[in-house]
Amino acid sequence: EAGVAQSPRYKIIEKRQSVAFWCNPISGHATLYWYQQILGQGPKLLIQFQNNGVVDDSQLPKDRFSAERLKGVDSTLKIQPAKLEDSAVYLCASSLEGDLAYEQYFGPGTRLTVT
Amino acid sequence: KNQVEQSPQSLIILEGKNCTLQCNYTVSPFSNLRWYKQDTGRGPVSLTIMTFSENTKSNGRYTATLDADTKQSSLHITASQLSDSASYICVVSAYSSASKIIFGSGTRLSIRP
Repeated sequence: EAGVAQSPRYKIIEKRQSVAFWCNPISGHATLYWYQQILGQGPKLLIQFQNNGVVDDSQLPKDRFSAERLKGVDSTLKIQPAKLEDSAVYLCASSLEGDLAYEQYFGPGTRLTVT
Repeated sequence: KNQVEQSPQSLIILEGKNCTLQCNYTVSPFSNLRWYKQDTGRGPVSLTIMTFSENTKSNGRYTATLDADTKQSSLHITASQLSDSASYICVVSAYSSASKIIFGSGTRLSIRP
């Protein structure tokens, strides 16, 4: 079974530029999560999708971050414009369903550096 | 406020030794607790999951315990190996109108030969 795929693995941009990350979840997984993990901290949930609908985006900085999951499969997370404090690893995870009993499978992450 | 606190922040032990990592939480209403292992440069991988009624669960050399009364969990690693060097993250889920998943900051474990 293929795992969660993310690209790019690394990205360096200047502040005020835009950036987009892509995630392809495990086939058949209805729920998709985007997390932000700052160095030395645990992941923080940014947004949770159930199929192509948003379940929870309460911690997403909506003035600069946006995410979509068209057709309920792949997802993109965009930052526009980026700030220095956005430097972090962005993790995508998927699970069969949104019930918390289902295990989340994480991708390798995208490491973003904003200079 | 829902919080998950882990201790110690970092730990160094010799190969072959045992160790115990701690997790205290104030998440309510409690749904389940997971321990994840995160290797450097990789995404977290689930080790164990426990619900309210479970107080111990093992996965090979990893044994997790849960005391729902005191809201504490521990992860015990037996006969450590170099490959156990990683961050170990405690994650607690809460039932709410939008299900809440709260991650601890993790314990960075280093195994020395």
